[in-house]
Amino acid sequence: GAVVSQHPSRVICKSGTSVKIECRSLDFQATTMFWYRQFPKQSLMLMATSNEGSKATYEQGVEKDKFLINHASLTLSTLTVTSAHPEDSSFYICSARQEWGTNQPQHFGDGTRLSIL
Amino acid sequence: QKEVEQNSGPLSVPEGAIASLNCTYSDRVSQSFFWYRQYSGKSPELIMSIYSNGDKEDGRFTAQLNKASQYVSLLIRDSQPSDSATYLCAVKAGGSTLGRLYFGRGTQLTVWP
Repeated sequence: GAVVSQHPSRVICKSGTSVKIECRSLDFQATTMFWYRQFPKQSLMLMATSNEGSKATYEQGVEKDKFLINHASLTLSTLTVTSAHPEDSSFYICSARQEWGTNQPQHFGDGTRLSIL
Repeated sequence: QKEVEQNSGPLSVPEGAIASLNCTYSDRVSQSFFWYRQYSGKSPELIMSIYSNGDKEDGRFTAQLNKASQYVSLLIRDSQPSDSATYLCAVKAGGSTLGRLYFGRGTQLTVWP
């Protein structure tokens, strides 16, 4: 159980392109999903917390107009990197948490490797 | 600022040995603690969770929690080369209803045959 699917796994595109990444919880409902970014040999950096039916909560320093998050259902959250530039190249990972019980861990998707040329 | 500290390593142990990974955290009211394993180029994978003081064993893995010392550790017995990965300690923020986790920088473990 607790499977999180993330798509696509890899994106290579030109500078200025907008890229949409999907995160789905396959066998559970996730009121809350999380979006992380990880640069090579660095730890996970939380970008935003996505709540179903409401606006996402962004971490300090993360541009909400650049990284658009939509959490329209209990099983799907999307992250859109708008007008991506080479410095946005990174490993983007989503996670989801089962809402029953307060101690439930986060389960991660397989990540999306984004390369902006 | 809630902090989670880990020795970055690298930690290198021979096959069959016990690998010991340590983590300290700053938020005294934290109640949930997790260990994730991350292979190079992959996303983190949950391997252990612990909520109460003491030891919790799952196969070759044992998590140890001491809330008074704000310390959590992971022991890997009979280490295998396939255990070579970065291990991330994660702490759920005290009082957080959204389940936000704070991660350490990870300890890189290498198990050599």
